[in-house]
Amino acid sequence: DADVTQTPRNRITKTGKRIMLECSQTKGHDRMYWYRQDPGLGLRLIYYSFDVKDINKGEISDGYSVSRQAQAKFSLSLESAIPNQTALYFCATSDDRGNQPQHFGDGTRLSIL
Amino acid sequence: AQTVTQSQPEMSVQEAETVTLSCTYDTSESDYYLFWYKQPPSRQMILVIRQEAYKQQNATENRFSVNFQKAAKSFSLKISDSQLGDAAMYFCAYRRGNFGNEKLTFGTGTRLTIIP
Repeated sequence: DADVTQTPRNRITKTGKRIMLECSQTKGHDRMYWYRQDPGLGLRLIYYSFDVKDINKGEISDGYSVSRQAQAKFSLSLESAIPNQTALYFCATSDDRGNQPQHFGDGTRLSIL
Repeated sequence: AQTVTQSQPEMSVQEAETVTLSCTYDTSESDYYLFWYKQPPSRQMILVIRQEAYKQQNATENRFSVNFQKAAKSFSLKISDSQLGDAAMYFCAYRRGNFGNEKLTFGTGTRLTIIP
């Protein structure tokens, strides 16, 4: 089983719908992150959480919200989806040791029509 | 704010040859970490190599090595003996060194094509 699991893998939905992307991890890491990837823009940070009680905005948080339900679970919501939120979304985890990399899920490809 | 620049949107190399992907970054910090991630068509993000800024020695992982020039703020990735499986997007990433700043800043990526 994957250490970082994202569901769904792909999703097509309509403008105005509420969408939730889920992420769970078995690595025991405290840190969890949500990124979006757009062609030509790389990965940009949406939200991050250092523990269950700590949620922080990233560089592009407008239009998104998150919930850290447990150490192992971190979900991303789009309250009212719009077409320019069409992207590939990644969840990642890390521990607090600086030289350790982030571990990524396989991504959720979200298309908003 | 830290920025990471990958100036080569696309690169290609003949199989078995060597290729170097460029990355520069801007920071006022002295303690930080740099990473190269690979994203094949399967879209997974796979760590290729990492470098601690306080280490002068360049990191190596099998056919992958870096040329870390701290004063120039440059962090290039060299792939030797290129293989078809190396075809992917490659992202350079930066993170600050102090505790509580583990989030990554990514470059825009370089798409590497391997020519058989």
